[in-house]
Amino acid sequence: EVHLEESGGGLVKPGGSLRLSCVASGFTFSYYSMTWVRQAPGKRLEWVATITTGSRNIYMADSLKGRFTVSRDSVKVYLQMNSLRGDDTAVYYCARDFGGGYQGAFDVWGQGTLVNVSS
Amino acid sequence: DIQMTQSPSSLSASVGDRVTITCRASQTIVSYLNWYQRKPGTAPRLLIYAASILQSGVPSRFSGSGSGTEFTLTISNLQPEDSATYFCQQAYSTALTFGGGTKVE
Repeated sequence: EVHLEESGGGLVKPGGSLRLSCVASGFTFSYYSMTWVRQAPGKRLEWVATITTGSRNIYMADSLKGRFTVSRDSVKVYLQMNSLRGDDTAVYYCARDFGGGYQGAFDVWGQGTLVNVSS
Repeated sequence: DIQMTQSPSSLSASVGDRVTITCRASQTIVSYLNWYQRKPGTAPRLLIYAASILQSGVPSRFSGSGSGTEFTLTISNLQPEDSATYFCQQAYSTALTFGGGTKVE
């Protein structure tokens, strides 16, 4: 079964750091671009970052550059979050870009991990 | 960033109805528009990509149309299991953006 599972969320103080992980199973992970998306309470989904196959290209939301970085290995994609702020509080999802010659559509999503930035 | 505006924000319909949801982009996105279904406590499900292509396994009562800046998702013969929130997402820009969602009850 194709599956994504996020981990690493939790309660962190403003200014702190967290590293989220997303482990893939049931498919050849290296063949797919991966994306992080977040949803703050009461807000719409917000794209965070995309990393293509082989980490060839990395795209990050302008508002997060300098604080967040994305990386991947053979089975996981990571989101390193530094200098966290209250408005980073959200559920963070990883998603698979289903590819097929069309980029930017996500056919597999994880269940999400909650990041709560609070003192 | 490209702004995505959905309407209505919610609607109520009956089994068998035809339902239409609209998504407007703040600039042209050609046909780089995706639709998702999301039920409480579950991950989003890709329904339609490239504005009108039905994702594998999605019932044919779902259809999408549009290009440029205006797009529609139509659910024909609404079923009870279609109760969910539907949202659009543009894939024209690498800065992907999502609509606010339409709750179908």
